Amino acid sequence: AQKVTQAQTEISVVEKEDVTLDCVYETRDTTYYLFWYKQPPSGELVFLIRRNSFDEQNEISGRYSWNFQKSTSSFNFTITASQVVDSAVYFCALSEVAGGTSYGKLTFGQGTILTVHP
Amino acid sequence: DAGVTQSPTHLIKTRGQQVTLRCSPKSGHDTVSWYQQALGQGPQFIFQYYEEEERQRGNFPDRFSGHQFPNYSSELNVNALLLGDSALYLCASSSGLAAGDTQYFGPGTRLTVL
Repeated sequence: AQKVTQAQTEISVVEKEDVTLDCVYETRDTTYYLFWYKQPPSGELVFLIRRNSFDEQNEISGRYSWNFQKSTSSFNFTITASQVVDSAVYFCALSEVAGGTSYGKLTFGQGTILTVHP
Repeated sequence: DAGVTQSPTHLIKTRGQQVTLRCSPKSGHDTVSWYQQALGQGPQFIFQYYEEEERQRGNFPDRFSGHQFPNYSSELNVNALLLGDSALYLCASSSGLAAGDTQYFGPGTRLTVL
């Protein structure tokens, strides 16, 4: 069965610090997709990134970067020079291509609450 | 370009009642998925609709049912409400039901069962 673990329940940093959110996943599939979502206090989940299991290239988007390592089943997310607006709950999620069928059920981690203080 | 919309925003019900939540997908999307998010937890998959049929279901009892209409909008129905059904209910839409199709979420409906 698929599982996503975000071991950091809460992280608190001061503005301009770099912060890394960890995500470890379990799956028996060789083909799968990983996602990161941001949930601000308003409640709506905001899509940040999607990565498939065959693409281990790291990605950078502005202050955000993602490090995908299949060898350790990890898909970590780093925010460089954090800002107060980055304060939110961040979720890592996994979607498997199970048994030859391709259904987009997302399995989420517990989330990491990030608080950035001014 | 309208995103995913959900109604109502908040809802208060008592135990044993029934509730219907509604979702309109993002323009161009044909697949709707529903998730339940209890306080302090990650969202849990309830079910997914495509071509007006339930295509996949999570570990939720039959009290949870749904429907998808020809215009791709969807409803989530919960019967015989329990206190434990209190949660944020999130609707997500995508253009297809493949594992790699990105799901875009609505603002959610906050259900409180008293």
